[in-house]
Amino acid sequence: QVQLVESGGGVVQPGGSLRLSCAASGFIFGTFGMHWVRQAPGKGLEWVAVISYDGSNPYYPDSVKGRFTISRDNSKNTLYLQMSSLRAEDTAVYYCARDPSSRGDGYKFAYWGQGTLVTVSS
Amino acid sequence: EIVLTQSPGTLSLSPGERATLSCRASQSVSSSYLAWYQQKPGQAPRLLIYGASSRATGIPDRFSGSGSGTDFTLTISRLEPEDFAVYYCQHFRTFGQGTKVEIK
Repeated sequence: QVQLVESGGGVVQPGGSLRLSCAASGFIFGTFGMHWVRQAPGKGLEWVAVISYDGSNPYYPDSVKGRFTISRDNSKNTLYLQMSSLRAEDTAVYYCARDPSSRGDGYKFAYWGQGTLVTVSS
Repeated sequence: EIVLTQSPGTLSLSPGERATLSCRASQSVSSSYLAWYQQKPGQAPRLLIYGASSRATGIPDRFSGSGSGTDFTLTISRLEPEDFAVYYCQHFRTFGQGTKVEIK
């Protein structure tokens, strides 16, 4: 069965950096686009990044562009989110999610990880 | 940028009642990319409906989706105890703010 397991969350100071990982299993990871979606405490869902099956075409909303970088290692079945210049408003649970298409443009999230909490605080 | 507005913010109903949740887009959107999710506390969202009206795998038939253009609806025909949760609509990269369905 499809399984996505995030890790790497924690407490970081404003301006700091953190790298999240999402370990995938139960499917051929290298054939699907992948996303990161976040949820601030008590708030709604916000899409954060997408990457195609081969690592191409990363795309971000303006809120994280230039600060976050999505990448993947298909040999390790792992998705990453490198976050830098972190702000208090980046505090959230970060989920990885699988796209139904290889390009990552399906935007239908049938599979999610359990999430990892990132807290940006001094 | 498209904005999705969900209403009402909170819906207070009893088990067995019908729930009707609305999602309005700021401009006409493709129904093919309109999805609904259910989220319970401490859990990841769960895909219920995609393509505006197609149920995802394993979703009970009491959940149905409809709509086109700018107006979309998620209907739960008879609320079961496990249906009390927050529901989100989504179009591409945009999510609505959510509707909480609570026990009256």
